[in-house]
Amino acid sequence: DTGVSQNPRHKITKRGQNVTFRCDPISEHNRLYWYRQTLGQGPEFLTYFQNEAQLEKSRLLSDRFSAERPKGSFSTLEIQRTEQGDSAMYLCASGQGSGTDTQYFGPGTRLTVL
Amino acid sequence: AQSVTQLGSHVSVSEGALVLLRCNYSSSVPPYLFWYVQYPNQGLQLLLKYTTGATLVKGINGFEAEFKKSETSFHLTKPSAHMSDAAEYFCAVSPDNNNDMRFGAGTRLTVKP
Repeated sequence: DTGVSQNPRHKITKRGQNVTFRCDPISEHNRLYWYRQTLGQGPEFLTYFQNEAQLEKSRLLSDRFSAERPKGSFSTLEIQRTEQGDSAMYLCASGQGSGTDTQYFGPGTRLTVL
Repeated sequence: AQSVTQLGSHVSVSEGALVLLRCNYSSSVPPYLFWYVQYPNQGLQLLLKYTTGATLVKGINGFEAEFKKSETSFHLTKPSAHMSDAAEYFCAVSPDNNNDMRFGAGTRLTVKP
């Protein structure tokens, strides 16, 4: 069990550029979650996968955001045409089994949009 | 809909003193409640969770929390603070499917020597 990993850990980009983040969950975890955390706030739910199926998306996930989990293992979160308001920590978590399972969080990717 | 309010964005205690971090929730269904801790530059780590059953939940590092339905509270306590407890603490609530976890804004705990 190597834990949830996220890459890159930090990303600085200019407004209007596209960025992609990767999350590798704990192996055999079939659930994968994406959250966004801004300074001074708790994480906000963005989206969730059960295996490769994206089952739920928050209204926070605008059309510029897309997430995939093509083989039910790692996941990517892409933000197109980044805006300064997208600057935040993007957290990934994974879990196993039914609804009350524990979510294990990765260290996050900090995005700064200049 | 679920929501969480954490009273006090900053709490400071002396080493050895009682730690009390407050959390009140709102939920339209029986809630599942969680406390997470976040150390600098690290991911969130689960301290404890309440699903069903015993309302006093014991977690890691000597923390515990009590689910009080009548008060819609889930306060986190530790009898004696240690310097290593200094971190950000988040309370969270989710409906029974755990797919839409709502976090509070967090409480930063400082422990003074």
